[in-house]
Amino acid sequence: SYELTQPPSVSVSPGQTARITCSADALPKQYAYWYQQKPGQAPVLVIYKDSERPSGIPERFSGSSSGTTVTLTISGVQAEDEADYYCQSADSSGTYPVFGTGTKVTVL
Amino acid sequence: EVQLVESGGGLVQPGRSLRLSCAASGFTFDDYAMHWVRQAPGKGLEWVSGISWNSGSTGYADSVKGRFTISRDNAKNSLYLQMNSLRAEDTALYYCAKGQWELLGAFDIWGQGTMVTVSS
Repeated sequence: SYELTQPPSVSVSPGQTARITCSADALPKQYAYWYQQKPGQAPVLVIYKDSERPSGIPERFSGSSSGTTVTLTISGVQAEDEADYYCQSADSSGTYPVFGTGTKVTVL
Repeated sequence: EVQLVESGGGLVQPGRSLRLSCAASGFTFDDYAMHWVRQAPGKGLEWVSGISWNSGSTGYADSVKGRFTISRDNAKNSLYLQMNSLRAEDTALYYCAKGQWELLGAFDIWGQGTMVTVSS
């Protein structure tokens, strides 16, 4: 089945930059979205339409797209950014939503 | 305040049925598609089902197709998921999420989830 592939984990020191990738063949044709999920909490939308930031999301969160890969960048990482991050886009037919495999971000 | 509140979860035996509900408030419910997303213990997010603003379009993950039915009542600002022939692998926290105009797009509001445990 169609899958959005993310690295299982990313580790970063406070103040540094974390980059989380999400890859799939159909990504050039569909928008991507990013969610942050902290333990015991519901996911929160942090990026929509590849690179747009919802109101209330800090400016250190940004998104970009290049070919079959989209990237969530967290600049100046803070301890509170430690969480699981999921990308989301459409399936290979462009019909239904699909989530990425998820990436655990650890702040050292 | 924009809010989604799920209910209806619980412990159910394999092969039995369960109906989840999601009550929406704080936004114009019938302007948006709505979705169910689940998360098995310790696992990632899985889109389960979605329904367009006017119920004209519905979609299901292959894992639940033919067993689950999504519906909505715009007069009651409510979303439902009828789950039949439940299996152990359906055990998960089920989230209700607000979508956009049709079935694709961002999920910008999430409920806190309702837990479904399928076990004998």
